[in-house]
Amino acid sequence: KNEVEQSPQNLTAQEGEFITINCSYSVGISALHWLQQHPGGGIVSLFMLSSGKKKHGRLIATINIQEKHSSLHITASHPRDSAVYICAVTSNRDDKIIFGKGTRLHILP
Amino acid sequence: DAGITQSPRHKVTETGTPVTLRCHQTENHRYMYWYRQDPGHGLRLIHYSYGVKDTDKGEVSDGYSVSRSKTEDFLLTLESATSSQTSVYFCASTLSPNTEAFFGQGTRLTVV
Repeated sequence: KNEVEQSPQNLTAQEGEFITINCSYSVGISALHWLQQHPGGGIVSLFMLSSGKKKHGRLIATINIQEKHSSLHITASHPRDSAVYICAVTSNRDDKIIFGKGTRLHILP
Repeated sequence: DAGITQSPRHKVTETGTPVTLRCHQTENHRYMYWYRQDPGHGLRLIHYSYGVKDTDKGEVSDGYSVSRSKTEDFLLTLESATSSQTSVYFCASTLSPNTEAFFGQGTRLTVV
């Protein structure tokens, strides 16, 4: 079983829809990261969370430490949001950063 | 953006040759990581470093070695490249375990 699980694996939605991507993890963590990768592109950090909630523009990330679960929300989605969104955690046992397999998001105009 | 760069960005090499990839950061980050990204697998940890001369293995370390003689540089060596090591390689760095991670642009390596 993967230590970081994301759902869904693929998501297609219409422009303007509210998007939710989920991440569950099974290890103790120092931090949880949400990352974005465009096709053929590099990896960009969106959020780093250790508790609570963060918001940046149309993106919101939440984490529930007790339930070992995090969500990434996109409000008023736009075709330029189409990308792979990756959840990763920093293990508090050995400081390794462990990645989920990503969620491929496609926003249709 | 954090200053983290990888070189080369693209490389084609022959089976059996040694290859070294370089990750260079100018942020004085303590932690550095090497990953490979393959379809269906996501990013998998090869090796990581928690300080100068302090390194440890990740989940896919066979056939790879690393060195960290300076804070800013983390080198990944494929001792004898094989076709299964064809992949996109990313490095990352963080100041501490609970700070933001920054990523290099990736190196596309093809072993023929």
